[in-house]
Amino acid sequence: SQQGEEDPQALSIQEGENATMNCSYKTSINNLQWYRQNSGRGLVHLILIRSNEREKHSGRLRVTLDTSKKSSSLLITASRAADTASYFCATDEGSNFNKFYFGSGTKLNVKP
Amino acid sequence: GAVVSQHPSRVICKSGTSVKIECRSLDFQATTMFWYRQFPKQSLMLMATSNEGSKATYEQGVEKDKFLINHASLTLSTLTVTSAHPEDSSFYICSARDVAENQETQYFGPGTRLLVL
Repeated sequence: SQQGEEDPQALSIQEGENATMNCSYKTSINNLQWYRQNSGRGLVHLILIRSNEREKHSGRLRVTLDTSKKSSSLLITASRAADTASYFCATDEGSNFNKFYFGSGTKLNVKP
Repeated sequence: GAVVSQHPSRVICKSGTSVKIECRSLDFQATTMFWYRQFPKQSLMLMATSNEGSKATYEQGVEKDKFLINHASLTLSTLTVTSAHPEDSSFYICSARDVAENQETQYFGPGTRLLVL
């Protein structure tokens, strides 16, 4: 199974600090995506990084991908209370773009 | 951006009854939709891939007779939880892929919370 692991499982920081979450996966991928989920809600797409990319930025988000280590990290800079949510990475199956497999998620709490 | 809706947003039912959940792509056509299940404080687990006009393909360990999927049009897929039991209580989320876009992108619905008493 491609299902990945994320760490930490939970992260609590003060507003203004940076938050780093890591994701590891098991098999080859075409791309990796990060999603955010507020409690009991649907998913919001944050950023996609392709297997031939090493780093990508979007606003306060920075994503890295290390295919040799089969891992990715999501950095949220200057965090805000509104960033409080669960964050998941999702990878496709190398031979099948269609299917997404989600990591275990990191629950981020940003204290005001 | 593309919008996917789910109906109902939450449902409570008695054990033994069947529950139908709809997933609609509102402003695009989707030949492929996906159904996920999420237990409290856990990640999303892919249950099945719904293909318009053909049978759904199920992930290992997911009972096809328990979770019936129908994808009768390019904008609608339904998941029916048959003879629901309390252990089926979960958050069910669908996603859809726009036929006009690349294969990388899936648009997610807001989810349906099912509680079986």
